Amino acid sequence: DQQVKQNSPSLSVQEGRISILNCDYTNSMFDYFLWYKKYPAEGPTFLISISSIKDKNEDGRFTVFLNKSAKHLSLHIVPSQPGDSAVYFCAAVGNEKLTFGTGTRLTIIP
Amino acid sequence: NAGVTQTPKFRILKIGQSMTLQCTQDMNHNYMYWYRQDPGMGLKLIYYSVGAGITDKGEVPNGYNVSRSTTEDFPLRLELAAPSQTSVYFCASRELAGVSQDTQYFGPGTRLTVL
Repeated sequence: DQQVKQNSPSLSVQEGRISILNCDYTNSMFDYFLWYKKYPAEGPTFLISISSIKDKNEDGRFTVFLNKSAKHLSLHIVPSQPGDSAVYFCAAVGNEKLTFGTGTRLTIIP
Repeated sequence: NAGVTQTPKFRILKIGQSMTLQCTQDMNHNYMYWYRQDPGMGLKLIYYSVGAGITDKGEVPNGYNVSRSTTEDFPLRLELAAPSQTSVYFCASRELAGVSQDTQYFGPGTRLTVL
């Protein structure tokens, strides 16, 4: 029972363009949502979050959108840079625990 | 400021052996978590703790044990290693619920292989 899904295992985007990573969830009781970025041989690092009562949160080049009716969130990165190449996980928080998606590997093409 | 540290970085075990994965945080966080990440999968919660002396099971606790005698340390114990426990293990800590909703801080991971 996968409560948080990232249906695209990989994504390639040209440098300077917009990267859009998607995430779907099934449990409407999640309190808020997070995006993490992970480089090889390192632990995940926090990127950006959004509360379930908001529909958008922006931090520099990163914007997260939440569509509660569709149970869908997306992470927009613009402009994409080579250092953005990593695996991105979305996570949903409920009852003080995180449920992670399976990740999307983003590759930025110079 | 070291954050969350994990030892060892790598370990190879034989089936049936036991070991303890160490996790220490220096941020005085109450909440600590253990996850495992299998290839091509997301992180799955093994055990978590909301404070010293309090632990609870996560999604995949079988084959593991934890203890939390201090705020700083949250060791994960494998008693009888099995090939299915081959994975990368991440420890994380988080501030008291309600103070910050933004993040958990992860350690660098321990790569465990059971042969």
